[in-house]
This record gives sequence, C-alpha cells and structure tokens, in this order.
Amino acid sequence: QVQLQESGPGLVKPSQTLSLTCTVSGGSISSGSYYWSWIRQPAGKGLEWIGRIYTSGSTNYNPSLKSRVTISVDTSKNQFSLKLSSVTAADTAVYYCAREPSVGLANIDYWGQGTLVTVSS
Amino acid sequence: AIWMTQSPSLLSASTGDRVTISCRMSQGISSYLAWYQQKPGKAPELLIYAASTLQSGVPSRFSGSGSGTDFTLTISCLQSEDFATYYCQQYYSFPYTFGQGTKLEIK
Repeated sequence: QVQLQESGPGLVKPSQTLSLTCTVSGGSISSGSYYWSWIRQPAGKGLEWIGRIYTSGSTNYNPSLKSRVTISVDTSKNQFSLKLSSVTAADTAVYYCAREPSVGLANIDYWGQGTLVTVSS
Repeated sequence: AIWMTQSPSLLSASTGDRVTISCRMSQGISSYLAWYQQKPGKAPELLIYAASTLQSGVPSRFSGSGSGTDFTLTISCLQSEDFATYYCQQYYSFPYTFGQGTKLEIK
C-alpha cells in the first residue's frame, strides 16, 4: 500500500522560502497513473489546494499562490517537493502531500500524515 | 474559482441517527465531487468520489448523491467512529476547492 511522508523545516522566518519534500513508498512516482499534490490547512480552519505535478513535470497551481509556488518531482528519489517563497504568518499551516489518480473519476485518495510549518521570526 | 457552501457547519446527533450534509456549488460541476472525513490531528480520508461512488473500504452506511450544483452526503445509522469533520471538494476545475467543513458532534 502506498505511503506518503512529508519532511522539512517546521519553522521558517518571514520573507524566506518554505521547502518541503514528500517521499512516496509502496509505489513508483513515475508510474504515470497519478498526479502528486500539495494541500494545506491552517490550524482550526479548512483545506486549501496548493497545486499538483505530473510525472512529466506538468503542473497546475492555485492562482492565489501561483506567483510564489513551485512544485517539482525527482523520480530518481521517488519524491516530489514544494517551495513557497516570501512566506508570511498567513502561510502557517499543516501541509499535506497527496496522490490523485490520473485516470477515471477518482480524486485525491491517499494523503501523508501532514507536517506543521510555522512562519515566525 | 468555484465556491461551495457547505451546511450545516455544526451538526449534533446521536449514535444510530441518520444525518445529511449538504454542499452547494456556485456553478455546475457535473459529478466531480468528493467527500472526505477528517479526525483531529489526522489527514482527511476519502469517503466518496464522483458524487456517489464509495471509496474502497468505506462502510456502506455512507452514501452520496447529487449532480450539477447540489450534493448530499448521508450517513445512516451513525457509529461512534463517525463523529468527525466532513469536507466536500470539487475537482471539476482549477483551483480545486473545499467546502468550509461540517463538524459532526455527539449530542
């Protein structure tokens, strides 16, 4: 069974770049059957979709974050990554990586456990 | 972006009850709607996709219906493990968006 695990700094200073990596196990990230996504959730609030990447490198981003977001994939390490630049306190949230089937009508079906990132000086 | 109105935001019920959660879209999304359950400190879990298809392993007391702009999640015969927060999500167009959430609490 596939597992996703987020990793990265839990504390980032304002104006710096948040960087997270998601390691996929139990399946190949380059199988071509999935998109690989990032979603975030501020404490006590709802979910916000950040964006996704396909194995080819093709990406889709949330327009509200597009100018600051980069999602990339490293098939050799079975990982994909998120970079969010010029962070502020409003970017403090639990960040989840997730998998979305690329065929059929299914949607995001597996999530990582999430990692809390706090933006503070 | 497509906006969603999820209601109610808080729902109090008892074990054994039947409950319904609604999600209304700002525009039609065909059947590109999913429902998730989230427990405190945990990642969301997919319950239903394509508006009415039960994800593998999800109990049959969960069901979904609707298409276009109006959708419903129904839980028949609530169990203790069902008390959680539920989110709808549209994946018809970018950016994907989620409802505000419905917290289902024990009455």
